[in-house]
Amino acid sequence: SQQGEEDPQALSIQEGENATMNCSYKTSINNLQWYRQNSGRGLVHLILIRSNEREKHSGRLRVTLDTSKKSSSLLITASRAADTASYFCATPTGANSKLTFGKGITLSVRP
Amino acid sequence: EAQVTQNPRYLITVTGKKLTVTCSQNMNHEYMSWYRQDPGLGLRQIYYSMNVEVTDKGDVPEGYKVSRKEKRNFPLILESPSPNQTSLYFCASSFPSGYGYTFGSGTRLTVV
Repeated sequence: SQQGEEDPQALSIQEGENATMNCSYKTSINNLQWYRQNSGRGLVHLILIRSNEREKHSGRLRVTLDTSKKSSSLLITASRAADTASYFCATPTGANSKLTFGKGITLSVRP
Repeated sequence: EAQVTQNPRYLITVTGKKLTVTCSQNMNHEYMSWYRQDPGLGLRQIYYSMNVEVTDKGDVPEGYKVSRKEKRNFPLILESPSPNQTSLYFCASSFPSGYGYTFGSGTRLTVV
């Protein structure tokens, strides 16, 4: 079963606008991660937020985590056409702490 | 450069012909894993390895084998490929498990 579910499934914005993507999960976690995937390529780790953190920044990325609501958001500020990609949230689950991924959000940034 | 290297990048094969997809990492990571990605199904874990000679099944292991004889290598073996194994495959590694994964570039496999 899916641990992380992203929302919306697809997002289209103009270059320069901010993009906000949401992720909900079901079970308790010790961290939550966001990845980016350009079409057909490998996933790239963007940012990890631990369960005792509420907010984290990395360049134009801002991630929040609300463990009471079991949700996280990824904000990309001042988006660029190069940000066009699929974005996934992932949480470690199970005895081997495997990463379980959501189905992803397709972000299109129009020039 | 820290990386996970998968080969081949693209592969078309026929049903029943054994094949191996190689995966190698240069980061001394203990944890390695194979995923397949299919439209509408997302990423699903096939097998994982916590360390040398320690492997275990993920969510969709049927039809696949793996081995971990050295820390850096984690090949995926399809003994008798079938068309339902047509997919995009990714190898990933991390240290420790549950933290940021480094992914390979992927292997697009087509079984006809």
